Amino acid sequence: AQSVTQLGSHVSVSEGALVLLRCNYSSSVPPYLFWYVQYPNQGLQLLLKYTSAATLVKGINGFEAEFKKSETSFHLTKPSAHMSDAAEYFCAVTETSYDKVIFGPGTSLSVIP
Amino acid sequence: DVKVTQSSRYLVKRTGEKVFLECVQDMDHENMFWYRQDPGLGLRLIYFSYDVKMKEKGDIPEGYSVSREKKERFSLILESASTNQTSMYLCASTFRLSTDTQYFGPGTRLTVL
Repeated sequence: AQSVTQLGSHVSVSEGALVLLRCNYSSSVPPYLFWYVQYPNQGLQLLLKYTSAATLVKGINGFEAEFKKSETSFHLTKPSAHMSDAAEYFCAVTETSYDKVIFGPGTSLSVIP
Repeated sequence: DVKVTQSSRYLVKRTGEKVFLECVQDMDHENMFWYRQDPGLGLRLIYFSYDVKMKEKGDIPEGYSVSREKKERFSLILESASTNQTSMYLCASTFRLSTDTQYFGPGTRLTVL
């Protein structure tokens, strides 16, 4: 069965510092992996998606994530945090034979000026 | 620009009331989903639909039903609202596959008193 874990329900970083949000997944077959972001009082929107084309995936707003099969990880990074990055971030996994997406519990990112 | 709209942003209902949450997408997507979002639990799938008049139970369907009479519209029904159904409800749609990007509505925050 698929599952997603996100280490750290809340992460705080200083403005300009590196952002690292962790995601580990379990899947018995090659997965499709997503990062979604939810800004306050909004729905979720796609940040980036891994579809096996390349292990390093670049997304919107300067975010990127690296797929590491040996570690079953798909951590999200951004070199320099901006105040506007404060939001809830969700990692998600699915498979081509699966009819739904499994979301992680989310990580709330705070950016300190 | 793709759009998923939900009928209400905030809703307050009393225990035992029948509640309708409506979702409309303008992208001609085949799949539509209803999730509930609770702190620390991420998004949990209630029901989804892959075609008009078709529906599948998600992970937490108890106490809910759905209706999809037209391709663009997917309704979530709480037959008899209870306080433990107080939550944020998110609607989403995808073109066809679980590996496609999900497009989310802004959410409905439901409070059951």
